[in-house]
Amino acid sequence: EVQLVESGGGLVQPGGSLKLSCAASGFTFSDSAMHWVRQASGKGLEWVGRIRSNAYSYATAYTASVKGRFTISRDDSKNTAYLQMNSLKTEDTAVYYCTRYRGGDSYDAFDIWGQGTMVTVSS
Amino acid sequence: EIVMTQSPATLSVSPGERATLSCRASQSVSSDLAWYQQKPGQAPRLLIYGASTRATGIPARFSGSGSGTEFTLTISSLQSEDFAVYYCQQYNIWPLTFGGGTKVEVK
Repeated sequence: EVQLVESGGGLVQPGGSLKLSCAASGFTFSDSAMHWVRQASGKGLEWVGRIRSNAYSYATAYTASVKGRFTISRDDSKNTAYLQMNSLKTEDTAVYYCTRYRGGDSYDAFDIWGQGTMVTVSS
Repeated sequence: EIVMTQSPATLSVSPGERATLSCRASQSVSSDLAWYQQKPGQAPRLLIYGASTRATGIPARFSGSGSGTEFTLTISSLQSEDFAVYYCQQYNIWPLTFGGGTKVEVK
């Protein structure tokens, strides 16, 4: 079964850090770009960032509001992607989903999503 | 950044009726448009990609159309399980962007 499972969410104070994990199974993880998408409570979906495959030198990209604070990485030997979040702000509070392109590592829709992990930034 | 605008924000429909959802892009995204369904407490589910191609396992009552800047998702005969929030998303131009969503509720 093709599956993505996020973990690592929790409560953190403003200015703090948190690292999320996304464990993949059932497909060739190393060939896939991996993305993070977040959703604040009662709000819409916001693309956060992505990491491409080794074929594209693990290139990363981020939305403007997290650039310089968030870092996406991956370990293909563990079939896992990561989202390191630093200097967290209250507005980063959201459910964080990992997802993948339908077609591997080329621009496409997102066909598989994890169940999400909640991140709460509050004092 | 391409802005995706969905309308209406809420659509009240009776079971068995047809629902038509709209999505407009602030500039052309060709046919690089996807539709997702999201139910409370669940992750989004891919319905349509390439503006009009149903994803695996999606019932034929869901159809997508359009290209360029104007797109439509049609649900031909609403079933109880179709009441949810629907999002469009463009994947033509970086950064990838989503619409604000249309909630389809029971009339």
